[in-house]
Amino acid sequence: DTAVSQTPKYLVTQMGNDKSIKCEQNLGHDTMYWYKQDSKKFLKIMFSYNNKELIINETVPNRFSPKSPDKAHLNLHINSLELGDSAVYFCASSQGMEAFFGQGTRLTVV
Amino acid sequence: GDSVTQMEGPVTLSEEAFLTINCTYTATGYPSLFWYVQYPGEGLQLLLKATKADDKGSNKGFEATYRKETTSFHLEKGSVQVSDSAVYFCALSEGAGSYQLTFGKGTKLSVIP
Repeated sequence: DTAVSQTPKYLVTQMGNDKSIKCEQNLGHDTMYWYKQDSKKFLKIMFSYNNKELIINETVPNRFSPKSPDKAHLNLHINSLELGDSAVYFCASSQGMEAFFGQGTRLTVV
Repeated sequence: GDSVTQMEGPVTLSEEAFLTINCTYTATGYPSLFWYVQYPGEGLQLLLKATKADDKGSNKGFEATYRKETTSFHLEKGSVQVSDSAVYFCALSEGAGSYQLTFGKGTKLSVIP
Protein backbone atom coordinates (compact mmCIF):
# COMPACT_ATOMS: atom_id res chain seq x y z
CA ASP A 1 0.00 0.00 0.00
CA THR A 2 1.28 3.41 -0.93
CA ALA A 3 1.46 5.66 2.13
CA VAL A 4 1.06 9.00 0.35
CA SER A 5 -0.35 8.88 -3.15
CA GLN A 6 -0.84 11.68 -5.64
CA THR A 7 -2.73 11.81 -8.88
CA PRO A 8 -2.02 12.45 -11.62
CA LYS A 9 1.68 11.74 -11.92
CA TYR A 10 1.96 13.92 -15.01
CA LEU A 11 -0.22 16.86 -16.02
CA VAL A 12 0.17 18.89 -19.19
CA THR A 13 -2.22 21.79 -19.63
CA GLN A 14 -2.59 25.13 -21.36
CA MET A 15 -2.13 28.55 -19.82
CA GLY A 16 -5.27 29.92 -18.26
CA ASN A 17 -6.76 26.55 -17.39
CA ASP A 18 -7.82 25.47 -13.91
CA LYS A 19 -6.52 22.14 -12.63
CA SER A 20 -6.45 20.04 -9.48
CA ILE A 21 -3.97 17.59 -8.04
CA LYS A 22 -5.23 15.03 -5.56
CA CYS A 23 -3.40 13.67 -2.53
CA GLU A 24 -4.35 10.92 -0.15
CA GLN A 25 -2.51 9.45 2.82
CA ASN A 26 -3.33 6.22 4.61
CA LEU A 27 -1.01 6.77 7.56
CA GLY A 28 -3.53 8.39 9.85
CA HIS A 29 -1.43 11.52 10.08
CA ASP A 30 -2.90 14.78 11.30
CA THR A 31 -0.90 17.17 9.14
CA MET A 32 -0.52 17.35 5.37
CA TYR A 33 1.60 19.59 3.18
CA TRP A 34 2.16 20.74 -0.35
CA TYR A 35 5.68 21.49 -1.57
CA LYS A 36 6.81 22.87 -4.91
CA GLN A 37 10.05 21.73 -6.55
CA ASP A 38 11.27 24.02 -9.30
CA SER A 39 13.39 23.18 -12.33
CA LYS A 40 16.56 23.52 -10.26
CA LYS A 41 15.28 20.97 -7.75
CA PHE A 42 14.70 23.61 -5.07
CA LEU A 43 11.91 22.55 -2.70
CA LYS A 44 9.72 25.07 -0.96
CA ILE A 45 6.73 24.71 1.33
CA MET A 46 3.45 26.00 -0.05
CA PHE A 47 0.92 24.98 2.59
CA SER A 48 0.65 22.98 5.75
CA TYR A 49 -2.74 21.92 7.01
CA ASN A 50 -4.25 19.99 9.84
CA ASN A 51 -7.81 19.83 11.03
CA LYS A 52 -7.33 23.01 12.97
CA GLU A 53 -5.10 25.28 11.01
CA LEU A 54 -4.02 26.21 7.52
CA ILE A 55 -0.61 27.81 7.23
CA ILE A 56 0.08 29.46 3.93
CA ASN A 57 3.49 30.46 2.71
CA GLU A 58 3.09 34.14 1.96
CA THR A 59 4.86 33.82 -1.37
CA VAL A 60 2.21 31.48 -2.78
CA PRO A 61 -0.17 33.24 -5.21
CA ASN A 62 -3.82 33.12 -4.23
CA ARG A 63 -4.49 31.22 -7.48
CA PHE A 64 -3.35 28.21 -5.46
CA SER A 65 -5.75 26.82 -2.88
CA PRO A 66 -5.67 23.67 -0.79
CA LYS A 67 -8.90 21.85 -0.13
CA SER A 68 -9.27 19.11 2.45
CA PRO A 69 -12.50 17.09 2.31
CA ASP A 70 -11.30 14.96 5.22
CA LYS A 71 -8.24 14.24 7.29
CA ALA A 72 -6.77 11.80 4.75
CA HIS A 73 -6.98 14.09 1.73
CA LEU A 74 -5.46 17.42 0.77
CA ASN A 75 -6.06 18.45 -2.81
CA LEU A 76 -4.39 21.35 -4.57
CA HIS A 77 -6.45 23.56 -6.87
CA ILE A 78 -4.76 25.95 -9.24
CA ASN A 79 -6.66 28.61 -11.13
CA SER A 80 -5.57 30.48 -14.25
CA LEU A 81 -2.39 28.48 -14.74
CA GLU A 82 0.72 30.34 -15.81
CA LEU A 83 3.93 29.14 -17.47
CA GLY A 84 5.83 29.74 -14.24
CA ASP A 85 3.64 27.22 -12.43
CA SER A 86 5.43 24.42 -14.26
CA ALA A 87 7.14 22.38 -11.56
CA VAL A 88 6.91 19.15 -9.62
CA TYR A 89 4.42 19.33 -6.76
CA PHE A 90 4.85 17.04 -3.79
CA CYS A 91 2.29 16.17 -1.20
CA ALA A 92 3.48 15.03 2.22
CA SER A 93 2.07 14.07 5.59
CA SER A 94 3.46 13.85 9.08
CA GLN A 95 2.58 12.97 12.63
CA GLY A 96 5.48 14.54 14.44
CA MET A 97 8.76 15.25 12.76
CA GLU A 98 9.09 12.64 10.06
CA ALA A 99 7.40 13.59 6.81
CA PHE A 100 6.35 11.04 4.20
CA PHE A 101 6.25 12.25 0.63
CA GLY A 102 4.25 11.25 -2.37
CA GLN A 103 5.94 10.55 -5.69
CA GLY A 104 5.18 13.97 -7.06
CA THR A 105 3.09 15.44 -9.87
CA ARG A 106 4.97 16.95 -12.76
CA LEU A 107 2.91 19.89 -14.00
CA THR A 108 3.78 21.37 -17.37
CA VAL A 109 1.98 24.49 -18.51
CA VAL A 110 2.19 25.20 -22.24
CA GLY B 1 13.71 33.39 8.83
CA ASP B 2 15.07 29.88 8.77
CA SER B 3 17.41 28.83 6.01
CA VAL B 4 19.58 25.89 4.98
CA THR B 5 22.71 26.13 2.88
CA GLN B 6 24.29 23.06 1.38
CA MET B 7 27.19 22.59 -0.95
CA GLU B 8 26.55 23.07 -4.62
CA GLY B 9 26.64 20.06 -6.83
CA PRO B 10 26.83 18.07 -8.83
CA VAL B 11 29.25 15.78 -7.07
CA THR B 12 30.77 12.86 -8.99
CA LEU B 13 32.62 10.14 -7.12
CA SER B 14 34.04 6.76 -7.93
CA GLU B 15 32.59 3.73 -6.21
CA GLU B 16 34.00 3.19 -2.70
CA ALA B 17 35.08 6.83 -2.37
CA PHE B 18 34.38 8.86 0.77
CA LEU B 19 31.46 11.25 0.62
CA THR B 20 30.92 14.52 2.46
CA ILE B 21 28.08 16.91 1.69
CA ASN B 22 28.23 20.07 3.76
CA CYS B 23 25.13 21.60 5.29
CA THR B 24 24.78 24.64 7.54
CA TYR B 25 21.62 26.21 8.86
CA THR B 26 20.16 29.37 10.33
CA ALA B 27 17.23 29.08 12.70
CA THR B 28 15.58 31.18 15.36
CA GLY B 29 15.01 28.33 17.79
CA TYR B 30 16.30 24.80 18.25
CA PRO B 31 15.42 22.96 15.10
CA SER B 32 15.44 19.31 14.25
CA LEU B 33 17.69 18.46 11.32
CA PHE B 34 17.17 16.00 8.49
CA TRP B 35 18.70 14.56 5.38
CA TYR B 36 16.28 13.48 2.68
CA VAL B 37 17.19 11.58 -0.47
CA GLN B 38 15.44 11.69 -3.84
CA TYR B 39 16.22 8.87 -6.25
CA PRO B 40 15.56 9.52 -9.94
CA GLY B 41 11.86 9.77 -10.70
CA GLU B 42 10.81 9.27 -7.09
CA GLY B 43 9.62 11.29 -4.13
CA LEU B 44 11.72 12.18 -1.13
CA GLN B 45 12.63 9.65 1.53
CA LEU B 46 13.93 10.42 4.97
CA LEU B 47 17.54 9.25 5.19
CA LEU B 48 18.37 10.28 8.75
CA LYS B 49 17.56 12.84 11.40
CA ALA B 50 18.83 14.42 14.61
CA THR B 51 16.72 16.31 17.10
CA LYS B 52 19.20 17.94 19.45
CA ALA B 53 22.79 19.08 19.69
CA ASP B 54 25.45 16.34 19.43
CA ASP B 55 22.91 13.76 18.23
CA LYS B 56 24.20 11.57 15.44
CA GLY B 57 21.74 10.32 12.86
CA SER B 58 22.69 7.26 10.84
CA ASN B 59 21.15 5.01 8.21
CA LYS B 60 22.39 2.83 5.33
CA GLY B 61 26.00 3.73 6.10
CA PHE B 62 25.31 7.47 6.06
CA GLU B 63 25.93 9.60 9.15
CA ALA B 64 25.45 13.20 10.20
CA THR B 65 26.09 14.90 13.54
CA TYR B 66 24.10 17.89 14.81
CA ARG B 67 26.72 20.52 15.64
CA LYS B 68 25.09 23.48 17.37
CA GLU B 69 28.32 25.41 17.78
CA THR B 70 28.95 25.46 14.05
CA THR B 71 25.25 25.23 13.05
CA SER B 72 26.12 22.33 10.80
CA PHE B 73 24.80 18.88 9.87
CA HIS B 74 27.25 17.46 7.32
CA LEU B 75 26.39 14.18 5.62
CA GLU B 76 29.12 11.53 5.36
CA LYS B 77 29.52 8.03 4.03
CA GLY B 78 32.70 6.06 4.10
CA SER B 79 32.26 4.10 0.89
CA VAL B 80 29.67 5.11 -1.69
CA GLN B 81 27.98 2.74 -4.12
CA VAL B 82 26.48 3.30 -7.55
CA SER B 83 23.05 2.84 -5.94
CA ASP B 84 23.68 5.95 -3.81
CA SER B 85 23.36 8.15 -6.89
CA ALA B 86 20.57 10.57 -6.05
CA VAL B 87 19.82 14.11 -4.96
CA TYR B 88 20.40 14.76 -1.26
CA PHE B 89 18.55 17.48 0.63
CA CYS B 90 19.43 18.90 4.01
CA ALA B 91 16.40 20.26 5.87
CA LEU B 92 15.28 21.64 9.20
CA SER B 93 12.05 21.84 11.09
CA GLU B 94 11.26 24.12 13.97
CA GLY B 95 8.33 21.96 15.02
CA ALA B 96 5.76 23.57 17.30
CA GLY B 97 2.61 22.25 15.67
CA SER B 98 3.38 22.18 12.01
CA TYR B 99 6.55 20.34 11.13
CA GLN B 100 7.01 22.02 7.81
CA LEU B 101 10.48 21.59 6.40
CA THR B 102 12.89 24.23 5.16
CA PHE B 103 15.14 22.64 2.55
CA GLY B 104 18.55 23.36 1.16
CA LYS B 105 18.88 23.47 -2.61
CA GLY B 106 19.89 19.84 -2.93
CA THR B 107 23.15 18.21 -3.99
CA LYS B 108 23.17 15.79 -6.88
CA LEU B 109 25.50 12.85 -6.33
CA SER B 110 26.61 10.60 -9.16
CA VAL B 111 28.67 7.53 -8.33
CA ILE B 112 30.50 5.88 -11.21
CA PRO B 113 31.78 2.29 -11.23
